[in-house]
Amino acid sequence: GAGVSQSPSNKVTEKGKDVELRCDPISGHTALYWYRQSLGQGLEFLIYFQGNSAPDKSGLPSDRFSAERTGGSVSTLTIQRTQQEDSAVYLCASSLVQTGGRNTIYFGEGSWLTVV
Amino acid sequence: QKEVEQNSGPLSVPEGAIASLNCTYSDRGSQSFFWYRQYSGKSPELIMSIYSNGDKEDGRFTAQLNKASQYVSLLIRDSQPSDSATYLCAVNPGNQFYFGTGTSLTVIP
Repeated sequence: GAGVSQSPSNKVTEKGKDVELRCDPISGHTALYWYRQSLGQGLEFLIYFQGNSAPDKSGLPSDRFSAERTGGSVSTLTIQRTQQEDSAVYLCASSLVQTGGRNTIYFGEGSWLTVV
Repeated sequence: QKEVEQNSGPLSVPEGAIASLNCTYSDRGSQSFFWYRQYSGKSPELIMSIYSNGDKEDGRFTAQLNKASQYVSLLIRDSQPSDSATYLCAVNPGNQFYFGTGTSLTVIP
């Protein structure tokens, strides 16, 4: 696709329910990132996928959060037993990893999650 | 120490003035540096990238990099009300991208 595509764009869920957020990166981009941004706050790194390497999960805030990337393309971020503090916009980004380190990261429009 | 530090602002400038945004970073191995603009309720949008020491100009925007001082800045000339947004500095020392918390800019008509 032309850009990073995320779905759903908005999700309202009840506390305790599970949610899945989907990200389709820019075609050909091998690196994929998930970030979280709470209202008025900065970007919080969650997880990073690069090709077939083991993902960097160091930013996941708890074991209720998990993510997978199938076939090196589409990624799904799953939040189990959602809590109100999970309410935020979840941003997916992708980049083309180039030799020489000149990588650029592009963001999707985000998935706005509200836990009630 | 945070990887990337920015003054959170808010920074207010009159229309037509120069807005100056600053950023420092901690990882000396960083190779790539970026400025993103984020309008309220929107996702970050890339406006400038810079890889070498010195200045890089693109229209009304100039990015400045000083690796010795671990300092990146963004100048916006002839500021317009449409430039009002939060500006995020990002650094790419390897595979990871580190973002500052952003500087809020308001351009007053």
